Amino acid sequence: EAQVTQNPRYLITVTGKKLTVTCSQNMNHEYMSWYRQDPGLGLRQIYYSMNVEVTDKGDVPEGYKVSRKEKRNFPLILESPSPNQTSLYFCASSIVIDHYEQYFGPGTRLTVT
Amino acid sequence: QKEVEQNSGPLSVPEGAIASLNCTYSDRGSQSFFWYRQYSGKSPELIMSIYSNGDKEDGRFTAQLNKASQYVSLLIRDSQPSDSATYLCAGRNNQGGKLIFGQGTELSVKP
Repeated sequence: EAQVTQNPRYLITVTGKKLTVTCSQNMNHEYMSWYRQDPGLGLRQIYYSMNVEVTDKGDVPEGYKVSRKEKRNFPLILESPSPNQTSLYFCASSIVIDHYEQYFGPGTRLTVT
Repeated sequence: QKEVEQNSGPLSVPEGAIASLNCTYSDRGSQSFFWYRQYSGKSPELIMSIYSNGDKEDGRFTAQLNKASQYVSLLIRDSQPSDSATYLCAGRNNQGGKLIFGQGTELSVKP
């Protein structure tokens, strides 16, 4: 089944404790992206990657890191999480032909206390 | 001004009616537009994409794009209670990989 998977789906952590949210896709997509979704602010792009070893900042990259060492994986790293990073996070991927129709993973709900 | 704007709603329509969802954008470089449906607690699901001026139909859904006026719309014919969700409009500039979302319009279809 073609899909984007994220782990963990739910995470409660404390301020300053490094964490990684994994994202994997099995569709051989070149493009992958991370978003956060907050009430009243909608979906905002954190980082995206056009292909292996190529990453770019989205609209809200502060406090996040990403890496793209393999085509299928695009982990999101929070080196020192803070309460304002409490949010719902989505990973998405698309094939890079013309229009980048993106397909979303199931989401990761992160709470930082 | 947000780059992609939608009325947050809620928009309430009776079952069987046409639901009309609208979106405006400010970046004239935007070339590709998408409508996503998001049920509460779920991830966005792509339902329509449109790249050229005019209408694009897919079943009960019709997307409309007017680049001169910088708006995109989604019509849902014969609305069903199962269409109740938040609809997200998104646009992409052909210069790169950024996808900008509107805040979403909540649609409620009443039986």
